[in-house]
Amino acid sequence: DSGVTQTPKHLITATGQRVTLRCSPRSGDLSVYWYQQSLDQGLQFLIQYYNGEERAKGNILERFSAQQFPDLHSELNLSSLELGDSALYFCASSVAGSAGRDTQYFGPGTRLTVL
Amino acid sequence: GIQVEQSPPDLILQEGANSTLRCNFSDSVNNLQWFHQNPWGQLINLFYIPSGTKQNGRLSATTVATERYSLLYISSSQTTDSGVYFCAPSRAYSGAGSYQLTFGKGTKLSVIP
Repeated sequence: DSGVTQTPKHLITATGQRVTLRCSPRSGDLSVYWYQQSLDQGLQFLIQYYNGEERAKGNILERFSAQQFPDLHSELNLSSLELGDSALYFCASSVAGSAGRDTQYFGPGTRLTVL
Repeated sequence: GIQVEQSPPDLILQEGANSTLRCNFSDSVNNLQWFHQNPWGQLINLFYIPSGTKQNGRLSATTVATERYSLLYISSSQTTDSGVYFCAPSRAYSGAGSYQLTFGKGTKLSVIP
């Protein structure tokens, strides 16, 4: 158990809908990262938040957004869903200290199926 | 961004055999992690290894940052070692403390009894 929790574990929805994925980082970790794993794209970094603020952006679509709340949990919002958004979405956390030399710990993932 | 190449893409081992997985990367990196994704999808940290050698039980890893590669050694493989092994180097953004992991496509390991 990495200490990172994600809910829900599975999500099935229809095209055009909007969903929210939730992540709670390990105790003491200030950074949260979101990743998408799909068969065709592999594991891709989406976005990072550090202590409530966006720190880095990767291959995140405009239909997707995220935020990190004062209690450090994070939510990833996916809207206008398409079939191609079906994937495993991971959240990771790290201490993200000033040196930046962090180990990222991954949650169990949320499997999203868009029908 | 960084290009990451892992080899071999697939590997089948008899239980008890040893193996070496390789990760080549295209740019200077500040750190590197190895992960194991088990058949249930969970990503498990194996090593944080920006340089040098580390060992953890039957697993060890070596990163030679100056030559842009990392190796993961698995000795006396067990069926529970099956899964996909990912290498993920990262480099800093211009802002301090911002690191992005770039994952390779992985090596799929199958250990048969």
